[in-house]
Amino acid sequence: DAKTTQPTSMDCAEGRAANLPCNHSTISGNEYVYWYRQIHSQGPQYIIHGLKNNETNEMASLIITEDRKSSTLILPHATLRDTAVYYCIVYNAGNMLTFGGGTRLMVKP
Amino acid sequence: EPEVTQTPSHQVTQMGQEVILRCVPISNHLYFYWYRQILGQKVEFLVSFYNNEISEKSEIFDDQFSVERPDGSNFTLKIRSTKLEDSAMYFCASSEDRGIHEQYFGPGTRLTVT
Repeated sequence: DAKTTQPTSMDCAEGRAANLPCNHSTISGNEYVYWYRQIHSQGPQYIIHGLKNNETNEMASLIITEDRKSSTLILPHATLRDTAVYYCIVYNAGNMLTFGGGTRLMVKP
Repeated sequence: EPEVTQTPSHQVTQMGQEVILRCVPISNHLYFYWYRQILGQKVEFLVSFYNNEISEKSEIFDDQFSVERPDGSNFTLKIRSTKLEDSAMYFCASSEDRGIHEQYFGPGTRLTVT
């Protein structure tokens, strides 16, 4: 059961890139890294996931280190609407998502 | 864009009463889930449901809880006899298939037990 470690909170200036780190040093070879976010009290929202390679979609980019022990979620041009709690989740056996405390990202004007 | 919907948005009930929370998952999805989030705490998994039966459940999901897919569109969570500590946001989610963790969450039902 791989665990993740994320900073409790981060600030980012509007329009700048937000880089959210995540450590997952006990990740197994077949485990994926998923990122979700939760804006205020809304339901969590899927952002992106990856296994080994870096990934990019319309929302964000995911950079995974070669040893897979850490990753970084990048929001290239953060807006005020990106203020949320961001969760880094490593898939474990079964179908459940195990949410940790996440990183509270505050985007400031 | 298809989305998961939940009703009601807010439910207030008295301790000991039964409540049913309703969800309409995305139409071509096969896996359904319930999570809850007590105010100020983490999102916690309750149960997953596939092919008309429970696939996995957490320790939270005790005999007071049950799930059902009564027809082709709805997915419900029933709490038989509510306790004060059941007050929380309850989120329904769905995904296309087994092992796919792109789960799409609904907006949640805020349950308040008095």
